[in-house]
Amino acid sequence: EVQLVESGGGLVQPGRSLRLSCTASGFTFGDYAMSWFRQAPGKGLEWVGFIRSKAYGGTTEYAASVKGRFTISRDDSKSIAYLQMNSLKTEDTAVYYCSRRGEVTDYFDYWGQGTLVTVSS
Amino acid sequence: SYVLTQPPSVSVAPGKTARITCGGNNIGSKSVHWYQQKPGQAPVLVIYYDSDRPSGIPERFSGSNSGNTATLTISRVEAGDEADYYCQVWDSSSHVVFGGGTKLTVL
Repeated sequence: EVQLVESGGGLVQPGRSLRLSCTASGFTFGDYAMSWFRQAPGKGLEWVGFIRSKAYGGTTEYAASVKGRFTISRDDSKSIAYLQMNSLKTEDTAVYYCSRRGEVTDYFDYWGQGTLVTVSS
Repeated sequence: SYVLTQPPSVSVAPGKTARITCGGNNIGSKSVHWYQQKPGQAPVLVIYYDSDRPSGIPERFSGSNSGNTATLTISRVEAGDEADYYCQVWDSSSHVVFGGGTKLTVL
């Protein structure tokens, strides 16, 4: 059974950093691109970024709203994807989800349950 | 960047058909995917590549895409279909784009 479990969320002050983890099981993690999304309270889904599999270069893409502040990485030996968030702003407050995507597909077929990040002083 | 436009809300009586639209410039040339999200839960893929259904999704869910509008159709609507629905495409910069979401209310 495919499972994605996010962790690392919490309350953080503006300007500080936080690292989220997405632990995967039930599939060959290294074969998939891993993506992060977020959803601010009462708002819609927003794509944050993704990291391609090593076979596709392991490169990353980011939304303009987070580029230069957020970094996605992966550890295939542990089946974990990370989202390093620096210089956090109040507008980064959201539930953060990770999801997988097959490298030759366009859609996100499994999602984690999300972890809440609250940026507040 | 590419913009997807969804109606904020759609209401339908049980047993009737709900149609949720997703508008975008020449969206018919793109692949559209649809997600269902119930309160407090993660999104669930319900339609991919315009009209394909993942295993476990009822046949009542179908999709189409042509011209400037993609449509998610839910036939014989049930109370359990009440949720937010999001369409999704990729733009020309390899970025993911979502519509603003549509709240489906079952009367």
